[in-house]
Amino acid sequence: KNEVEQSPQNLTAQEGEFITINCSYSVGISALHWLQQHPGGGIVSLFMLSSGKKKHGRLIATINIQEKHSSLHITASHPRDSAVYICAVQTSGSRLTFGEGTQLTVNP
Amino acid sequence: EPEVTQTPSHQVTQMGQEVILRCVPISNHLYFYWYRQILGQKVEFLVSFYNNEISEKSEIFDDQFSVERPDGSNFTLKIRSTKLEDSAMYFCASKGGGTDTQYFGPGTRLTVL
Repeated sequence: KNEVEQSPQNLTAQEGEFITINCSYSVGISALHWLQQHPGGGIVSLFMLSSGKKKHGRLIATINIQEKHSSLHITASHPRDSAVYICAVQTSGSRLTFGEGTQLTVNP
Repeated sequence: EPEVTQTPSHQVTQMGQEVILRCVPISNHLYFYWYRQILGQKVEFLVSFYNNEISEKSEIFDDQFSVERPDGSNFTLKIRSTKLEDSAMYFCASKGGGTDTQYFGPGTRLTVL
């Protein structure tokens, strides 16, 4: 079993829709990261969470440490949000363990 | 805005050859990482580096791999004798001392023939 599980694997939405991507993990963590990978391969860090909730523009990330679960929400989705969204957990030191990613496609 | 850079963007090599992938981390960062992503698979941790030594490495990072910070700016990953299964995108990342946010470079696509 993977230490980090994401769902769904693929998600197609219409522009303007509210999107939720889920991440569950099975190990003790010091932090959880949400990352965005563009079609060209580049990876951008979106959030780093150890508790509660963070918001940046139309993106919101939440984490429930007791339930070992995190969600990434995108409000008013736009075609430029199309990318792979990756959940990664930080366990020992600052090593990251990655999920498989969620491929998001937002259609105009 | 400062960014992590990597060279080359694409490297093609023959099996058994040595390759060196280069990274220039953000200048005041102290922690450096290499990750790899085989096509169609998830990103995997290879190694972390702090204070001129390896602080953690994964099972993938065997004796064929080495890392070095040869001067104040570069951080390199060497693969001594490449295998077909080393074909992947290799990402360098760095972070500063007061944060857990890692900044990723654009990646080097390594193709081993």
